[in-house]
Amino acid sequence: DTGVSQDPRHKITKRGQNVTFRCDPISEHNRLYWYRQTLGQGPEFLTYFQNEAQLEKSRLLSDRFSAERPKGSFSTLEIQRTEQGDSAMYLCASSPRTGGFTEAFFGQGTRLTVV
Amino acid sequence: SQQGEEDPQALSIQEGENATMNCSYKTSINNLQWYRQNSGRGLVHLILIRSNEREKHSGRLRVTLDTSKKSSSLLITASRAADTASYFCATFPLDDYKLSFGAGTTVTVRA
Repeated sequence: DTGVSQDPRHKITKRGQNVTFRCDPISEHNRLYWYRQTLGQGPEFLTYFQNEAQLEKSRLLSDRFSAERPKGSFSTLEIQRTEQGDSAMYLCASSPRTGGFTEAFFGQGTRLTVV
Repeated sequence: SQQGEEDPQALSIQEGENATMNCSYKTSINNLQWYRQNSGRGLVHLILIRSNEREKHSGRLRVTLDTSKKSSSLLITASRAADTASYFCATFPLDDYKLSFGAGTTVTVRA
C-alpha cells in the first residue's frame, strides 16, 4: 500500500506531556497538510508544507504546536505540554503538484486522547 | 473557521433509496470536492468539480455546482448499507492552496 501513512494510530497521554506524530506522504507528492478533527466536526486546517517549506500555519496552531518536514519527505507534528482540549483526530494529507489543485489523499489519522 | 456548510446534518434512508445532501460556501473557488469518512477513519476522495463545470457523475454519484449561489449538491443513487458514512464538501478557494471543509452530513442507510 503506497497511501499516506500515519503513526501512531492512537495515542493516550497525560496532560502536560509532549507527543509527536509522524506522517509519511505518498512519495511523489510535494504538498503536505495537517488537519485536526473533533467529534462531529469537519477537518480544520493546521499547517501546510510545500516540499520542506512550511508555507502557512493556522491560528489554531498555538506555540505549543510545531511541525516539520525535513528534506521534503515525512513530516512530524509535535504538541508540547498537552491539554485536554488537544484531544482530537490529527489527519495528514498529501497532494501532487500539478497544473491545478487536485484531490488530497488522507492518512487514517492519529487519535489523541489527553487524560 | 470552516468554509462550507452541509445540509442536512444527518440523513437516514432505506437501502435502495437516493440520498441528497447540499453544501453552501462563502468565497470564490477553484474547485469543490466531496469526501467520505467512515467512522473513526481517514477521508476518502469521492469527486472533484471545477468552478467552470455544472455537473459531474462518477458511478452512483452525481454532483452539481452553482457558483452563482455558491452551492453544491451530492446525490447518491440506489444507496447501499456500505454508503453509511459522513460526507464532507471541501472547497479550494481561488486565492488559497488548502482545502476548507464543512461540518459534514452523516448518512445512515438502513437495510
